[in-house]
Amino acid sequence: EAQVTQNPRYLITVTGKKLTVTCSQNMNHEYMSWYRQDPGLGLRQIYYSMNVEVTDKGDVPEGYKVSRKEKRNFPLILESPSPNQTSLYFCASTARGGILGNQPQHFGDGTRLSIL
Amino acid sequence: DQQVKQNSPSLSVQEGRISILNCDYTNSMFDYFLWYKKYPAEGPTFLISISSIKDKNEDGRFTVFLNKSAKHLSLHIVPSQPGDSAVYFCAAPSPNTGNQFYFGTGTSLTVIP
Repeated sequence: EAQVTQNPRYLITVTGKKLTVTCSQNMNHEYMSWYRQDPGLGLRQIYYSMNVEVTDKGDVPEGYKVSRKEKRNFPLILESPSPNQTSLYFCASTARGGILGNQPQHFGDGTRLSIL
Repeated sequence: DQQVKQNSPSLSVQEGRISILNCDYTNSMFDYFLWYKKYPAEGPTFLISISSIKDKNEDGRFTVFLNKSAKHLSLHIVPSQPGDSAVYFCAAPSPNTGNQFYFGTGTSLTVIP
């Protein structure tokens, strides 16, 4: 089954304690991306990756890091989490081909982070 | 600055009637638009899209209309069904490269049986 898998699904942690949210896709997609969803703000793009070892900032990259060492994995790293990073996070992937934006993204089921 | 806006946070419609969800955008260079549907505790799923060279795209009960002069698009669902109750996001990829994506704030649709 084609899917994007995020872990953990839920996490409560404290300010400053480094955490990583993993994302893996089994569709051999080149493009992967991270979003956060906040009330009244919709989905905002954090980082994206066009392919292995190629990453770039989205609209709200501050406080986040990513890496793309393998095609299937795109972890989101919070080196020193703060309460304003409490949010619902989604990973997504899509295939390249034609104009990239025309390819619908496949989303994971989300990770709810609470940072106290 | 929000480049894609959905000004109605919520909408309630009777089953069988038409649901109309609206979306406005500020960047006239956007050349493609997508609608996603999201159920609670799940990720968004793709619903329908439209290229800027068209003004209408239809897929079953779902039709998207694009008015480029007004920088406005709308999603029509006819007839509405209780299973359509979800949050709907409109989205646009960045012009030319499509590397970045801009999503609206979402509209929560409730279809009343």
